[in-house]
Amino acid sequence: DGGITQSPKYLFRKEGQNVTLSCEQNLNHDAMYWYRQDPGQGLRLIYYSQIVNDFQKGDIAEGYSVSREKKESFPLTVTSAQKNPTAFYLCASTTWFKTALMGNQPQHFGDGTRLSIL
Amino acid sequence: AQKITQTQPGMFVQEKEAVTLDCTYDTSDQSYGLFWYKQPSSGEMIFLIYQGSYDEQNATEGRYSLNFQKARKSANLVISASQLGDSAMYFCAMREGATGTASKLTFGTGTRLQVTL
Repeated sequence: DGGITQSPKYLFRKEGQNVTLSCEQNLNHDAMYWYRQDPGQGLRLIYYSQIVNDFQKGDIAEGYSVSREKKESFPLTVTSAQKNPTAFYLCASTTWFKTALMGNQPQHFGDGTRLSIL
Repeated sequence: AQKITQTQPGMFVQEKEAVTLDCTYDTSDQSYGLFWYKQPSSGEMIFLIYQGSYDEQNATEGRYSLNFQKARKSANLVISASQLGDSAMYFCAMREGATGTASKLTFGTGTRLQVTL
């Protein structure tokens, strides 16, 4: 079955530690995204990538880093510079919006990773 | 900058009744798209329905329909014949980005729907 796999489901970070969240997709999508969701809130964009070896900052990129070495993979590192990392992290992917007829292509989401501070 | 507003933090509806979840948006783009997602307590985001800014007909997908009023910049989700399994958070989102790029979504803060017996 095609889809997006995020791991781990739960993650705990010690102070001063970097942690990496995994996101893998087998949908052959070009674009991938990372969102952060705080309790009772909507999703905020951290980083996104349109193609391999290219990525752009979203609205809340400070304290996070990403890489896109393979089309299928878009890992997110939460660095020690992110002082309030406790949140639910969602990864998504979609095809490029190549023509107006493709504008209806939704972003597909993984099941998320819940990150907490120890 | 694009903005999505969902003014109903929580809604209750009785089973088998219809419910409308409100969404208003603000954009200066002529071409845009509006999406609704459902997020159950388990956390995954489930795509429900899409409306393009140039679509003349309101979108429908099974029990879901979209009441799109372009002049008022509103895209309300209507769920007919509510079921207990419809209890979840519902998010409205708007796509920005020109053709030939990866689309970015701006999300509202969501509405928590509770379906009661």
